[in-house]
Amino acid sequence: KAGVTQTPRYLIKTRGQQVTLSCSPISGHRSVSWYQQTPGQGLQFLFEYFSETQRNKGNFPGRFSGRQFSNSRSEMNVSTLELGDSALYLCASSLAGLASTDTQYFGPGTRLTVL
Amino acid sequence: AQSVSQHNHHVILSEAASLELGCNYSYGGTVNLFWYVQYPGQHLQLLLKYFSGDPLVKGIKGFEAEFIKSKFSFNLRKPSVQWSDTAEYFCASRGSGTYKYIFGTGTRLKVLA
Repeated sequence: KAGVTQTPRYLIKTRGQQVTLSCSPISGHRSVSWYQQTPGQGLQFLFEYFSETQRNKGNFPGRFSGRQFSNSRSEMNVSTLELGDSALYLCASSLAGLASTDTQYFGPGTRLTVL
Repeated sequence: AQSVSQHNHHVILSEAASLELGCNYSYGGTVNLFWYVQYPGQHLQLLLKYFSGDPLVKGIKGFEAEFIKSKFSFNLRKPSVQWSDTAEYFCASRGSGTYKYIFGTGTRLKVLA
């Protein structure tokens, strides 16, 4: 079974631009979560989608948004990029999110550099 | 509020030394607990997980973790580390009935050959 895939793997943008990252979950997984990973901060939760609905949101500004499509693929958008947005953005998928044995599986991430 | 603390940010060990990485969680109800590992240049992989039952959980590559409810802890252990264990380790919790996974800030382990 194919794992979680993320595209693109690397991105370089300049301040003020916007960016869209894509995530394809493991087949059959309906929950997709996004995280921002930076050195010393660990993984900061951005948001989680299930069946095209955002179920949970972290403490990030409104410049960070996402959506999920009917095939469970998800996109994350960051508008008006700032230098501090440089990070590894990780996507994780799981079956349904609420089951007691639910487990997240991660993609390789998208490395975003903002100049 | 749910939170996870990893107290060791950087650990350096020699090969064959024993390893214990601390993880404490905060949550008022039942939790599921996880350890993930991120090897250099690779994506996060699940090491082991605890849902219920035996509090001593065995994972891949010889790792194990013990859930101690009274201490709100889920420490990761390995009796003898190898150079290939050099990686960053993340503890995570998920409150039962919630959709959110909360991660600790990670522990960077360096094993000297």
